[in-house]
Amino acid sequence: GAVVSQHPSRVICKSGTSVKIECRSLDFQATTMFWYRQFPKKSLMLMATSNEGSKATYEQGVEKDKFLINHASLTLSTLTVTSAHPEDSSFYICSARARSSGSNEQFFGPGTRLTVL
Amino acid sequence: GQQVMQIPQYQHVQEGEDFTTYCNSSTTLSNIQWYKQRPGGHPVFLIQLVKSGEVKKQKRLTFQFGEAKKNSSLHITATQTTDVGTYFCAGPVEQGTYKYIFGTGTRLKVLA
Repeated sequence: GAVVSQHPSRVICKSGTSVKIECRSLDFQATTMFWYRQFPKKSLMLMATSNEGSKATYEQGVEKDKFLINHASLTLSTLTVTSAHPEDSSFYICSARARSSGSNEQFFGPGTRLTVL
Repeated sequence: GQQVMQIPQYQHVQEGEDFTTYCNSSTTLSNIQWYKQRPGGHPVFLIQLVKSGEVKKQKRLTFQFGEAKKNSSLHITATQTTDVGTYFCAGPVEQGTYKYIFGTGTRLKVLA
C-alpha cells in the first residue's frame, strides 16, 4: 500500500514551453502533497505544500507564477512549470501524506526528470 | 532560517564495516525522520523518532534521537552492498503543517 506515482518520469522540452507533472496517490487519499526539487547529488528542497481544495503554499524564493500547483482531488496534485528555461532543469519529486495517517510519514513518488533545452 | 546538517557528506566503507551518519538541527525538533534514497531512486521512509533520547533498531540499523532533540544519528552495523544510497534526516518546519526540512544527506558507498 501507500504508492505514489508521478507522470511523466522524464521530459525534455524546449525553452519557453510549459510542462505539467502529475502526482497521484494510488491507494490512499492524500490531503497534503509536497513538491520538492532535487539537484544532482544534493538534498531535497521543499518548493510548496499542496492542500486539496485550497491554494498551495510556496516556500520562500519559489515563484508561484512560475510553478503552478493544483490539488484538484484527494489523489491528484499537478505541478506546471511555466515558460521553462534551462535553469529549471532538475529532478522534481512529489510526496503525499495519507489522510488517515496518524504519523507524519511521507510517501514519495518516483520523481520526474525535467530537461529544458 | 532553520538548518539541518549531516556529516559526513560522503562515506566509503568496506563491506562488513560499520557506518554512522550524524544529523544536527539548528532548532529543537518535535520529531525526526530518516529516509533512504537509492541511486536513481526516490526517498523511502525508514523511521520516525519522537522522544528525547529515544533509540530504535531495525535489524542492522540503529537510530538515536538526542537528549536535547536537536541531533540524531543512524548507525549501520556490518554494512552490506544493499545499504548503498543516500541517507537523509528530516525535521518538521512548523507545527501542524507536516512540512519537513531535509538534511544535507550522507552518501554511502559500500565496497565489496
